[in-house]
Amino acid sequence: AQSVTQLDSQVPVFEEAPVELRCNYSSSVSVYLFWYVQYPNQGLQLLLKYLSGSTLVESINGFEAEFNKSQTSFHLRKPSVHISDTAEYFCAVIPGYSSASKIIFGSGTRLSIRP
Amino acid sequence: NAGVTQTPKFQVLKTGQSMTLQCAQDMNHEYMSWYRQDPGMGLRLIHYSVGAGITDQGEVPNGYNVSRSTTEDFPLRLLSAAPSQTSVYFCASSYALQGESPLHFGNGTRLTVT
Repeated sequence: AQSVTQLDSQVPVFEEAPVELRCNYSSSVSVYLFWYVQYPNQGLQLLLKYLSGSTLVESINGFEAEFNKSQTSFHLRKPSVHISDTAEYFCAVIPGYSSASKIIFGSGTRLSIRP
Repeated sequence: NAGVTQTPKFQVLKTGQSMTLQCAQDMNHEYMSWYRQDPGMGLRLIHYSVGAGITDQGEVPNGYNVSRSTTEDFPLRLLSAAPSQTSVYFCASSYALQGESPLHFGNGTRLTVT
């Protein structure tokens, strides 16, 4: 069965430090990959996505993620975090280039930023 | 532009009661869906719709009904609430069923069943 694993349920970091949120997936077919962010008391918002082409994708607020097919990973990174990045981050996969109803979400990683 | 609007924000029900969670979108999106979010489990799909008059079951449909009479609205009905349905419910829409289309989420309804 297809699955998405976010290895860390919580990641505490200091402000201006770098961060990496890990995501691995299991799929025997090609995939679409997504990172969604959920700020407190809000719904999820798309942060970035990989559909095809360049394996490195970036968001407008400084996050980036790299698709690694051999390691079936899509880790999210930011070189310097801000207090405003405090949120829960969800990795998601759509296997086989299929429909939105087939999206599989990871269990989430809560990023907490310490001043 | 309101996006996806969910009401109510909070609800407390007693076991056996019924209620409807409302979801409306003003983006003319064809695809709409309902998820429940439970701690440590990510989001799980309850029901979805690919257009007015068309609905289908997701991963966890038992105890829930949906209908889609208009493009804009996609209400979720709890027929007889159970404590296991205590959760945060999110409605999401996208402009097409294709996986490339990003999902747009509402702010959620926090439901407690006692």
